[in-house]
Amino acid sequence: AQRVTQPEKLLSVFKGAPVELKCNYSYSGSPELFWYVQYSRQRLQLLLRHISRESIKGFTADLNKGETSFHLKKPFAQEEDSAMYYCALKGTSGSRLTFGEGTQLTVNP
Amino acid sequence: SAVISQKPSRDICQRGTSLTIQCQVDSQVTMMFWYRQQPGQSLTLIATANQGSEATYESGFVIDKFPISRPNLTFSTLTVSNMSPEDSSIYLCSVGSRGASDTQYFGPGTRLTVL
Repeated sequence: AQRVTQPEKLLSVFKGAPVELKCNYSYSGSPELFWYVQYSRQRLQLLLRHISRESIKGFTADLNKGETSFHLKKPFAQEEDSAMYYCALKGTSGSRLTFGEGTQLTVNP
Repeated sequence: SAVISQKPSRDICQRGTSLTIQCQVDSQVTMMFWYRQQPGQSLTLIATANQGSEATYESGFVIDKFPISRPNLTFSTLTVSNMSPEDSSIYLCSVGSRGASDTQYFGPGTRLTVL
């Protein structure tokens, strides 16, 4: 079975501070991990995927297979980063995505 | 990425009735999925809509309650049957294509309230 855990439902930081949104997963094979973001009144959209190894809007995430984690990081948070963030896993057996519970990030001025 | 639209965007329905939600994509896609997001909760996959054959349902979801159609590669419908207040959720369509960019993209969602 595949499972994604985001331990923090709410996370609040000040503008300019570093931010880390935690994501841990459980999967027996080689998963593909994603971060999706949902800004207020907008649809869910892909932020980044681990196989791309890219930085989007200053965010990065590294897959740590030893710790089964895929934490999302940004060195200097901005107010426009305030949103709901979902970590998601896709296994090797198909295209279905398993989502974590989500973390609501608030960046205060 | 594909442009995905859903109709209706929201609806308020009476207990015992049914609602059909439409999902339209502006290009042909291999995979189409239906998710549910209950209030304050994460997204849960209901089923994979297969073109030309019956949908593949996840554990806890059945065809009688959530019949799905997918007549072609750009369109799918999800019906929520015999609704109860517990069905109040946001229902999302997502699409994906096999290949190098095997990523899922989501529609805007349909917010359903059952009284």
